[in-house]
Amino acid sequence: GAGVSQSPSNKVTEKGKDVELRCDPISGHTALYWYRQSLGQGLEFLIYFQGNSAPDKSGLPSDRFSAERTGGSVSTLTIQRTQQEDSAVYLCASSLAPRTANNEQFFGPGTRLTVL
Amino acid sequence: AQTVTQSQPEMSVQEAETVTLSCTYDTSESDYYLFWYKQPPSRQMILVIRQEAYKQQNATENRFSVNFQKAAKSFSLKISDSQLGDAAMYFCAYRTGANSKLTFGKGITLSVRP
Repeated sequence: GAGVSQSPSNKVTEKGKDVELRCDPISGHTALYWYRQSLGQGLEFLIYFQGNSAPDKSGLPSDRFSAERTGGSVSTLTIQRTQQEDSAVYLCASSLAPRTANNEQFFGPGTRLTVL
Repeated sequence: AQTVTQSQPEMSVQEAETVTLSCTYDTSESDYYLFWYKQPPSRQMILVIRQEAYKQQNATENRFSVNFQKAAKSFSLKISDSQLGDAAMYFCAYRTGANSKLTFGKGITLSVRP
């Protein structure tokens, strides 16, 4: 497929467990973003990868959250010791040439995380 | 810090009518971009329209147009000839020219009455 894909589509976990969310960006896109969409809230920026540069982690809410991007392609967002307030939809997006006027971010369908 | 405000949580429009969704933003930057995204129940965010701050002309994309008031920091979306498929959440978003991360408003749920 040509779009951004995310897995799993839905994840239910127990409080205190670790979870990994995966994102496959569009082939050739150098920039990759993670956002979080909590109930009743807009999308909140979490982290941004651009090529081989150090990621912008300024949006990560706590040190329980981390992300990596291997080989400049697939990214994994890890949440350790999950809490109920982590329940949200986690959206991934990718783009070409991130700082140009034509920087359209293409979004995946998201992973809905539910922490019981 | 940049903020994006969508003060209306919900709106409803009759099919074939016109509806305007409001958005205001706050920034001290001069180089920035504004966006409207649509999110249907499938959760897939779709870019509806983009506006570069340096352009005075309002962007249009078929039935979608914006009213960009730079001095007032207002960026509203007008949907003409509303269709049932327009029913979705709509998010206003902002980014600076130097940074690529998007700042979103809380969104508005648009329903279309047949």
